[in-house]
Amino acid sequence: AQSVTQPDIHITVSEGASLELRCNYSYGATPYLFWYVQSPGQGLQLLLKYFSGDTLVQGIKGFEAEFKRSQSSFNLRKPSVHWSDAAEYFCAVGPGYGGATNKLIFGTGTLLAVQP
Amino acid sequence: DGGITQSPKYLFRKEGQNVTLSCEQNLNHDAMYWYRQDPGQGLRLIYYSQIVNDFQKGDIAEGYSVSREKKESFPLTVTSAQKNPTAFYLCASSMPYSGQPQHFGDGTRLSIL
Repeated sequence: AQSVTQPDIHITVSEGASLELRCNYSYGATPYLFWYVQSPGQGLQLLLKYFSGDTLVQGIKGFEAEFKRSQSSFNLRKPSVHWSDAAEYFCAVGPGYGGATNKLIFGTGTLLAVQP
Repeated sequence: DGGITQSPKYLFRKEGQNVTLSCEQNLNHDAMYWYRQDPGQGLRLIYYSQIVNDFQKGDIAEGYSVSREKKESFPLTVTSAQKNPTAFYLCASSMPYSGQPQHFGDGTRLSIL
């Protein structure tokens, strides 16, 4: 079955500390992978995406993610967290190259709190 | 600026009443999607449309209906058959090909009176 797992429901980090949010997926073929961020009461904003090639992808707001095929993981990282990064983060997977649709499967999200 | 507009931001439904959530986009996207978001459950796909006059059920379509008469518009009706409609509803759009980022509206929060 196709699925996305974000094992951490809630994470708290101190401002300036590093961050890693975990994402594991199960998908029949090589998927496309995405990270989105959601502020309270808002829609989702795309942080970054992985299609192919270099397994370390850079996104907006200083975020990066690393694709590890052997571990079926796509973890999100940031070297130094800012208070404005407090939000909910969603990992998503979708059909790879040549897929007939653009349907995404989302994880359940990780809520990030940032301590001053 | 191009984007997706969802209205209203807050909506209240009485028992036995149908309500319609609006979603309009000016991004010239062919595909549009409706998601339901509940705390701790992420986003679940209700319906999606790849092209005008065509739409498909998602994972939780029961109690919902949609139409796609125009490229720009994809309204969602929450019918009285949906017994637990209280949730945050998100509309998104994209080009229909795999790998295209989905762009989201700011959502509608539906509550039961």
